[in-house]
Amino acid sequence: GENVEQHPSTLSVQEGDSAVIKCTYSDSASNYFPWYKQELGKGPQLIIDIRSNVGEKKDQRIAVTLNKTAKHFSLHITETQPEDSAVYFCAASFDYGGSQGNLIFGKGTKLSVKP
Amino acid sequence: GAGVSQSPRYKVAKRGQDVALRCDPISGHVSLFWYQQALGQGPEFLTYFQNEAQLDKSGLPSDRFFAERPEGSVSTLKIQRTQQEDSAVYLCASSPTGAPTYNEQFFGPGTRLTVL
Repeated sequence: GENVEQHPSTLSVQEGDSAVIKCTYSDSASNYFPWYKQELGKGPQLIIDIRSNVGEKKDQRIAVTLNKTAKHFSLHITETQPEDSAVYFCAASFDYGGSQGNLIFGKGTKLSVKP
Repeated sequence: GAGVSQSPRYKVAKRGQDVALRCDPISGHVSLFWYQQALGQGPEFLTYFQNEAQLDKSGLPSDRFFAERPEGSVSTLKIQRTQQEDSAVYLCASSPTGAPTYNEQFFGPGTRLTVL
């Protein structure tokens, strides 16, 4: 089955700096890659996602890149702010006819943005 | 609008007790997922419903775990004879459509279960 590895497990940056989180996946059939942000005591919230027919996607300060050949994808946050501090999870899913798309998550990255 | 809600938010059970966790998905959402999140880990898939049909229960860790969604809306995850290793946050997520179209999963706040 699918396995998702996520690095680093913790990341500390200064406010205004960029943060990069990387994930690798094992199943080349996976074709949907969302990123979730989870704040303490809350459920995960989708912040950006990418499908396998796209190499890069950007939404304001957040961007995701996907390299299907190498089977890795990355989250980039620019101009970090203290409110970006949270745990971030990458996930992978295989979406095809008849599949429900249950997500396989990485173990998470705790991002701390210091003012 | 209202998101996914879960109750109770916290549950403490003595080992051997049965517990029932409730999920109210976003109204009209076809798909409903249950995940288990251990401390410091990512969520792990437990089971999936499309309307009232349980199409995948491959992630349920043992036959002590049972889930239902009888009318295709509210879902209940039941754990019988709870064990300490069942302690985790149980997350429910819903999605507007079912297979084959994939859409964003909207997560609830979770139920934190502690088994003493």
